[in-house]
Amino acid sequence: GEDVEQSLFLSVREGDSSVINCTYTDSSSTYLYWYKQEPGAGLQLLTYIFSNMDMKQDQRLTVLLNKKDKHLSLRIADTQTGDSAIYFCAETFSSGSARQLTFGSGTQLTVLP
Amino acid sequence: GAVVSQHPSWVICKSGTSVKIECRSLDFQATTMFWYRQFPKQSLMLMATSNEGSKATYEQGVEKDKFLINHASLTLSTLTVTSAHPEDSSFYICSARDQRTGNTEAFFGQGTRLTVV
Repeated sequence: GEDVEQSLFLSVREGDSSVINCTYTDSSSTYLYWYKQEPGAGLQLLTYIFSNMDMKQDQRLTVLLNKKDKHLSLRIADTQTGDSAIYFCAETFSSGSARQLTFGSGTQLTVLP
Repeated sequence: GAVVSQHPSWVICKSGTSVKIECRSLDFQATTMFWYRQFPKQSLMLMATSNEGSKATYEQGVEKDKFLINHASLTLSTLTVTSAHPEDSSFYICSARDQRTGNTEAFFGQGTRLTVV
């Protein structure tokens, strides 16, 4: 079955870069997503990448995809205290279908002043 | 991005009563919406897929008579927790895909914190 794994915790200093990693097992994954969840809130879509891409950059966010190793990462440049949250990676098979997302366990990012 | 709104944000109910949670896509139509449940410090677990105009598809282990889903229009899906018990206390989140983007982006509601006492 599908499996998406993340490390549970990450701490960085304010101003440093954060790199959150994710591995998945479903080689047929089409889209891979990064979501941010703040305490008591829903999920905010940060960015997503199509499986035929290696990299996507959006302002402070850089997503890297190694499809051979089934490894996805999210780099946050110049991390701020407001970036403290839980970050979920997720994958789905096909954009054309209404297939649900499969989520990782989430990585708690703590930004230290 | 598109907006998905859930209501209520939090609810406290007595054991044995039923609670209805609404999920609305505010600026787009969604033939399919998804209902997730999240326990503290854990990831989201898919409960069911809500299909407009037809029956919902439930994940294994989710009681369909316990968690009633209705998707009567292209912008509204409801989840009713019937005869709620304390073990049903959880954070429930819905999501919907924006068909305008070819179902690429899935947007989430802000979640509903259910506490059954």
